[in-house]
Amino acid sequence: KNQVEQSPQSLIILEGKNCTLQCNYTVSPFSNLRWYKQDTGRGPVSLTIMTFSENTKSNGRYTATLDADTKQSSLHITASQLSDSASYICVVSGKFGNEKLTFGTGTRLTIIP
Amino acid sequence: GAGVSQSPRYKVAKRGQDVALRCDPISGHVSLFWYQQALGQGPEFLTYFQNEAQLDKSGLPSDRFFAERPEGSVSTLKIQRTQQEDSAVYLCASSSGGIGQKFYEQYFGPGTRLTVT
Repeated sequence: KNQVEQSPQSLIILEGKNCTLQCNYTVSPFSNLRWYKQDTGRGPVSLTIMTFSENTKSNGRYTATLDADTKQSSLHITASQLSDSASYICVVSGKFGNEKLTFGTGTRLTIIP
Repeated sequence: GAGVSQSPRYKVAKRGQDVALRCDPISGHVSLFWYQQALGQGPEFLTYFQNEAQLDKSGLPSDRFFAERPEGSVSTLKIQRTQQEDSAVYLCASSSGGIGQKFYEQYFGPGTRLTVT
């Protein structure tokens, strides 16, 4: 079964600090990997999308990396803000890219002042 | 509207009741997806429409679940004879691209939280 695993399950850091979230996947064939941010009670919002040929992509203070050989990705958040408190979900898409997505269970990030 | 909307936002149903959840996708979006998100878990795929055609319903957990998109825009997810294990958030997403094309962003609605008592 295609799986997406994330670590840590939860993380608490001080405002202004950096953090890195991890994602490992076994989805095959692979088309693209996405990171979503989900605030409590809201739908997921896309942060980055990377195809297998991309190693890194940034969106403001968010930088995602992808190693398609080892099937690993990371999301690095720089200079965290209180509004970064949310769940961050790693999502992998199969061969055509627009078919059903396989979601990880997410990392619950809490930023404290 | 500017985004994907869903209604109702919250639904409480007694076990055995039928429910209908509505999704209004972004205007003009070809693809529409339904997902089920259990508490503390990531969303899981239920079904996919391209226009009015339901191309993939492999994620529907039982024949009590039925989805339709008759005119290729608004979609309804219906759950018959609800059970407690159906309690979850049901997310709808839409995309401007179709199957087999270059990947397109999926835009999610806020979800409907269903509680079966």
